[in-house]
Amino acid sequence: AQSVTQPDIHITVSEGASLELRCNYSYGATPYLFWYVQSPGQGLQLLLKYFSGDTLVQGIKGFEAEFKRSQSSFNLRKPSVHWSDAAEYFCAVGPMEYGNKLVFGAGTILRVKS
Amino acid sequence: GAVVSQHPSWVICKSGTSVKIECRSLDFQATTMFWYRQFPKQSLMLMATSNEGSKATYEQGVEKDKFLINHASLTLSTLTVTSAHPEDSSFYICSARGTEGYTFGSGTRLTVV
Repeated sequence: AQSVTQPDIHITVSEGASLELRCNYSYGATPYLFWYVQSPGQGLQLLLKYFSGDTLVQGIKGFEAEFKRSQSSFNLRKPSVHWSDAAEYFCAVGPMEYGNKLVFGAGTILRVKS
Repeated sequence: GAVVSQHPSWVICKSGTSVKIECRSLDFQATTMFWYRQFPKQSLMLMATSNEGSKATYEQGVEKDKFLINHASLTLSTLTVTSAHPEDSSFYICSARGTEGYTFGSGTRLTVV
């Protein structure tokens, strides 16, 4: 069965420090992989996605993620965190085919301390 | 880029009434839309998959007679919460599948009093 694991429920980093949010997935076929960010009371905004090709994906707001097939991981990174990055981050995996659903991780809440 | 508009952003209704939430893909056609429910401090729970011109597919445990989904066109899906009760209060989010992937609406905060 498809599943996504985000092992860290909460992460706190200092402003300006680097960030890595972990995501591991279980999927039987070639997946689409996504990272979304959600601010309180808001919908989800796509940060980046991986379909195929280069395993290091660049996204918006200075985020990047690396797909590692051997580790079934798709970790999100940012070299220098800003206070505005405080939010909840969701990793998701989905099929290549249309009409099929995304599976979400439980989310990681990022707190940024000044 | 792909944009999904969800309306209303928030709604307060009386117990026993029905509420309709709209989800529109503004600049692309979406044969499939998804409806999620999110409880405080939790991840998104898929409620149903909405396919244009056909009946929605509901996830296990979701009451299809309470949560009516209509996907009448390639750009519009609606979720109607019928005979709403306080336990239906939640954050509802729609998503549309396009060529660029999955785009989410901004969500609807439903409060039933």
